[in-house]
Amino acid sequence: GAGVSQSPRYKVAKRGQDVALRCDPISGHVSLFWYQQALGQGPEFLTYFQNEAQLDKSGLPSDRFFAERPEGSVSTLKIQRTQQEDSAVYLCASSPSLTSNYGYTFGSGTRLTVV
Amino acid sequence: GQQLNQSPQSMFIQEGEDVSMNCTSSSIFNTWLWYKQDPGEGPVLLIALYKAGELTSNGRLTAQFGITRKDSFLNISASIPSDVGIYFCAGRAGGTSYGKLTFGQGTILTVHP
Repeated sequence: GAGVSQSPRYKVAKRGQDVALRCDPISGHVSLFWYQQALGQGPEFLTYFQNEAQLDKSGLPSDRFFAERPEGSVSTLKIQRTQQEDSAVYLCASSPSLTSNYGYTFGSGTRLTVV
Repeated sequence: GQQLNQSPQSMFIQEGEDVSMNCTSSSIFNTWLWYKQDPGEGPVLLIALYKAGELTSNGRLTAQFGITRKDSFLNISASIPSDVGIYFCAGRAGGTSYGKLTFGQGTILTVHP
């Protein structure tokens, strides 16, 4: 597609519920990134993939967070047993490669509210 | 998590004025990026810097990669109302951290017509 597409745009989850957030990167982009943006803060790195390989997951806050990209295109960020502190905007970005000189292209994000 | 120190946190200016904001880090970065984020949208890349001392322009925007590789600034000349938004700096280190961007806290820019 023309840009990075994320769905849903908004998600309200009850505490303890599991959620799955989807990212469709730009077609042909090898690298895919997930960031978490709390209200009034800059984005914080969660994890990134090169094709289907998850090369760095050091930013995932706990073992309740899991990301996958099984076929090297669409990615899903799953959060199990959501808690209130998980409320944030989750941003996905893609890049032609890790060494791209064009930075990353971000999607519009999924705003997760845990009640 | 670690974030860069970005200042000022917010700016209120008149249309036509110039704006300057900067970012500092305790760590060295190989790349500095400047993004703008509008409400409800993801950050959009404005300028990318890849070499210490590099000065790059994009229209009314000018950014520099500090010589120490630990800082960067962004200038906006002759501001217009559509410059309103949140500006973020981001740094990228090398090695095993190559895929990861570290962001500043953002500068909220308000432009009065």
